[in-house]
Formats: sequence, C-alpha cells, structure tokens
Amino acid sequence: GAVVSQHPSRVICKSGTSVKIECRSLDFQATTMFWYRQFPKQSLMLMATSNEGSKATYEQGVEKDKFLINHASLTLSTLTVTSAHPEDSSFYICSATTSGGTIQETQYFGPGTRLLVL
Amino acid sequence: AQSVSQHNHHVILSEAASLELGCNYSYGGTVNLFWYVQYPGQHLQLLLKYFSGDPLVKGIKGFEAEFIKSKFSFNLRKPSVQWSDTAEYFCAVNPPYGGATNKLIFGTGTLLAVQP
Repeated sequence: GAVVSQHPSRVICKSGTSVKIECRSLDFQATTMFWYRQFPKQSLMLMATSNEGSKATYEQGVEKDKFLINHASLTLSTLTVTSAHPEDSSFYICSATTSGGTIQETQYFGPGTRLLVL
Repeated sequence: AQSVSQHNHHVILSEAASLELGCNYSYGGTVNLFWYVQYPGQHLQLLLKYFSGDPLVKGIKGFEAEFIKSKFSFNLRKPSVQWSDTAEYFCAVNPPYGGATNKLIFGTGTLLAVQP
C-alpha cells in the first residue's frame, strides 16, 4: 500500500525557535496533503489542507502565520511551527491522497511527529 | 456545533466477545463515513468506508459497519474479537460542505483492549 513518512519522528526545541516537519509520500504522488494535530487522549484535529502548488487552506482557529505550510512538490509538504511555545507541544500527523484528491481517494497517514517545546 | 461523537472511550472485551462501537454525527445532508484503526505503534489505517448504496459495509479483518441515516449513526461491529484487535478506533466523517472535498472530521476515538 501507499506509504507516507514524516521527519522527524520526535523533536524537542526551545521556546521561541521554529521547527520544520516534513511529510513525504514515498511511492505515490499526493495532490492533497492534510495536517492534523492530536492532543493527549483527544482526536485528530484538522489544521489545514495543502494542495500542491497553491496556498494551504486553514481551519478556523488555526493561525496561518504560526503554522506555515508549504506543498512544493507532489511528494512533499512541510509544516513549520514558527516561534514555538510550550502550548504548541503536540503530536502532528499528516495524511496524503493520491492524484485526484476526491473523497474516493483513500487518505494515507504518516506515523506522526511528536513535538515538545521547552 | 457540528461534530462526530464516539461515546465509548475505552472498551475492554474478552476474546470471542462481540464488539459494537458507536459513532454518531451531527452533519446534515449527504456525508461519507469512515472507520480508521490505529494499532499500537502504527499509522492510522482505513478499516472501511461508506459512500452510498448498501448501508451495511464490510471492511478488512472481519469488521463491518451499518449506516443508519435516521439515527445519524455509523456503528462498527465485529462478531468475535481477537487479541490482535486491540487498538484505537476512530470514526470519521467527510462533511458535505466547506473546503477540500476530501476533508475528514474525526471522533475522539475508542480504545479497545481485548483480553486473551
């Protein structure tokens, strides 16, 4: 099946620094990638939808200047948490759909990145 | 607020017991429905999905789910669970409006522990 990877798997950073998380589709082209955030014992919350070559669409309440998303190619999307603070500590998960981007396309999920901001 | 609800947060069963996990949603109109599973240490993966047609959907590993439109429900079932079914189960809905056509809204998840 289709594989999605994330790098790094976990990162610890100091408050005020920026952190970049990569999401790659390894064996398929992903027109659309999604970024989710998961707090402990809570569900995945969609942060934004990223389409290759265009600006990301952010969900209500998600600061686009804080969570910068770039989807420069059909196999790579990046999420940069700018000026991270302890409250940004969370588990960030991406998913990708194959070319077409319709709901009939299965979303393939990455393994997640655990961010800890000190 | 529109949402996806999973009322069972934690379920413990013995092997061979039957399983039913509840999922309710509050979106009107036509929705697409999904169940995902996350085994310990693994990625989320799709168990089954419903778009249209027969409201009883069969998925992988012996799971099935029934869409009952009048109850806004999409409960997951398995007649006889195994220890290997221990995992977290997420219901998800593709709402009928707004943004990406393949956007998913997830429930809070149900952690299933199957005792051997």
